[in-house]
Amino acid sequence: DIQLTQSPSFLSASVGERVTLSCRASHDIHTYLAWYQQKPGEAPRLLIYGASSLQGAVPSRFSGSGSGTEFTLTITSLQPEDSATYYCQQFSSFPNTFGQGTKLDIK
Amino acid sequence: QVQLVESGGGLVKPGGSLRLSCAASGFTFSDYYMSWIRQAPGKGLEWVSYISSSSSYTNYADSVKGRFTISRDNAKNSLYLQMNSLRAEDTAVYYCARVAMVQSSLDYWGQGTLVTVSS
Repeated sequence: DIQLTQSPSFLSASVGERVTLSCRASHDIHTYLAWYQQKPGEAPRLLIYGASSLQGAVPSRFSGSGSGTEFTLTITSLQPEDSATYYCQQFSSFPNTFGQGTKLDIK
Repeated sequence: QVQLVESGGGLVKPGGSLRLSCAASGFTFSDYYMSWIRQAPGKGLEWVSYISSSSSYTNYADSVKGRFTISRDNAKNSLYLQMNSLRAEDTAVYYCARVAMVQSSLDYWGQGTLVTVSS
């Protein structure tokens, strides 16, 4: 199985800051990676697919990059509503594993 | 608009069975692959199962293989998860999700249904 390791596990940042979340795959997954945002009590929401394509209606302050084994989710100009847990997921092979998540707190 | 509504969750004893349903609307259900994902209380997301649009292909996480069965009824726009031999570690919120046609990410999710396995 392909393992996804996200870092950091927890991140605290201020409104207006730029943050970068990391997702590392145990094997080459090309660009078969997605990022999701989950707020407490809600279902996850797709943000990024294909490692770097922005899902419709997602604000442009979210962006994704990477290929192979190293991926990043960048949020520029943090907003209070960005407080959430962020997960990456790979689609290169089954099982389509998720990373363990990064919890982002807005100060 | 796309809607996915899960139902069928509840309290079940270890060793028991439960069948989850997911009612889809707002899109041509028979065109899309579908998945089940679960989340144990306070934990991360775990991919559970996947079914092709025509039901010809399915796949399961090792943790549920041989105990859970995914199925669908395209005439009823519905997805199912039959869960047998349930264990305490199966306790979770179960989400159904649509598999996007591009890149296979999960582009729409239901609100989830809670399954609690306890004596």
